[in-house]
Amino acid sequence: DGGITQSPKYLFRKEGQNVTLSCEQNLNHDAMYWYRQDPGQGLRLIYYSQIVNDFQKGDIAEGYSVSREKKESFPLTVTSAQKNPTAFYLCASRTGGSEAFFGQGTRLTVV
Amino acid sequence: KQEVTQIPAALSVPEGENLVLNCSFTDSAIYNLQWFRQDPGKGLTSLLLIQSSQREQTSGRLNASLDKSSGRSTLYIAASQPGDSATYLCAVRHGSGAGSYQLTFGKGTKLSVIP
Repeated sequence: DGGITQSPKYLFRKEGQNVTLSCEQNLNHDAMYWYRQDPGQGLRLIYYSQIVNDFQKGDIAEGYSVSREKKESFPLTVTSAQKNPTAFYLCASRTGGSEAFFGQGTRLTVV
Repeated sequence: KQEVTQIPAALSVPEGENLVLNCSFTDSAIYNLQWFRQDPGKGLTSLLLIQSSQREQTSGRLNASLDKSSGRSTLYIAASQPGDSATYLCAVRHGSGAGSYQLTFGKGTKLSVIP
């Protein structure tokens, strides 16, 4: 089945630790996105990538980093510089016809 | 900057009722608009995509309309069922320029269908 796979589903981070969230798609989509969702705030764009080896900052990129070495993969690293990382993280990809598809999300909690 | 508003934030209806969810956006220069459904703790499921040149799209009991000039879209759900209970989000893709690959989301309408 084609789709977007995010892992892990739950992730716990200690203070000062970097963690990486995985996002893999087998839909052959060029564009991929990372969003952060907080209660009452809606979805906010962290980073997006239109093609391999290229990515752009979104509205809240500080404290995050990404890479796009393969078309299928767009991992997100939450660095220690992100002071409030507890949130629900969603990865998406988009077709040429512009319909966006989302993964099932990763819930990150600082312990 | 594009802003997307969804009203009401929450809605509770009895089973079998028809209902309308609203979405408004401030910049009418959009490329398309997409409606999603989100169940608690889950990702987003795409429901309907309306291109800027279209007026409406239908899928089963769902019908979405778009009035680009007035900056509004509605999602009509016919004969609601308890399984329709979820949060419904709309998102617009910008029409052109540096932000044309981005989606801007509303905060959603939380729908509860009471058996």
